[in-house]
Amino acid sequence: DGGITQSPKYLFRKEGQNVTLSCEQNLNHDAMYWYRQDPGQGLRLIYYSQIVNDFQKGDIAEGYSVSREKKESFPLTVTSAQKNPTAFYLCASSIMGLGNTEAFFGQGTRLTVV
Amino acid sequence: QKEVEQDPGPLSVPEGAIVSLNCTYSNSAFQYFMWYRQYSRKGPELLMYTYSSGNKEDGRFTAQVDKSSKYISLFIRDSQPSDSATYLCAMTLPMDSSYKLIFGSGTRLLVRP
Repeated sequence: DGGITQSPKYLFRKEGQNVTLSCEQNLNHDAMYWYRQDPGQGLRLIYYSQIVNDFQKGDIAEGYSVSREKKESFPLTVTSAQKNPTAFYLCASSIMGLGNTEAFFGQGTRLTVV
Repeated sequence: QKEVEQDPGPLSVPEGAIVSLNCTYSNSAFQYFMWYRQYSRKGPELLMYTYSSGNKEDGRFTAQVDKSSKYISLFIRDSQPSDSATYLCAMTLPMDSSYKLIFGSGTRLLVRP
């Protein structure tokens, strides 16, 4: 089946560690996105990529890094510089941009700092 | 002030009720308007998508856009317990050569049997 796969579903991180969240899509979409969701704050854009080997910062990029070496993959690294990383992370993709096309979401990764 | 404002709820209604969910926005440059449904611990899924002012109907769901008032609504008729979820409004903002998708904070809806 076509779709977006995020892994792992649950992730625990110790203070000072970097962790990487995986996002893979087989929809042949050009654009991919990472959002963070906190209670009562909706979805906030971390990074987005319109094409392979290119990506842009969203509204809350500090403490995060991404890469886009393949069209299908857009991993997100949560670095130790991110002071409050506990949240629900959502990856999305769309055909090209988000103007008039549907964004498909993965099932999310819940990250907890222990 | 947030670019998109949405009442967080929770909104609790009996089965069969008509539900009205609303969002207001401040930037007149927003072009496309969407409603997503998100079940607990799942990713959002697109419900409705509109561009122009007016109403768009799909089964029990009606999306309404009023660009002059910067106000969008989602109506759910004959609500069912399976409609219990968080509903997120979203809007696209043109940026250089792409678009930015901005979400409201979401409204939790509970439909009681």
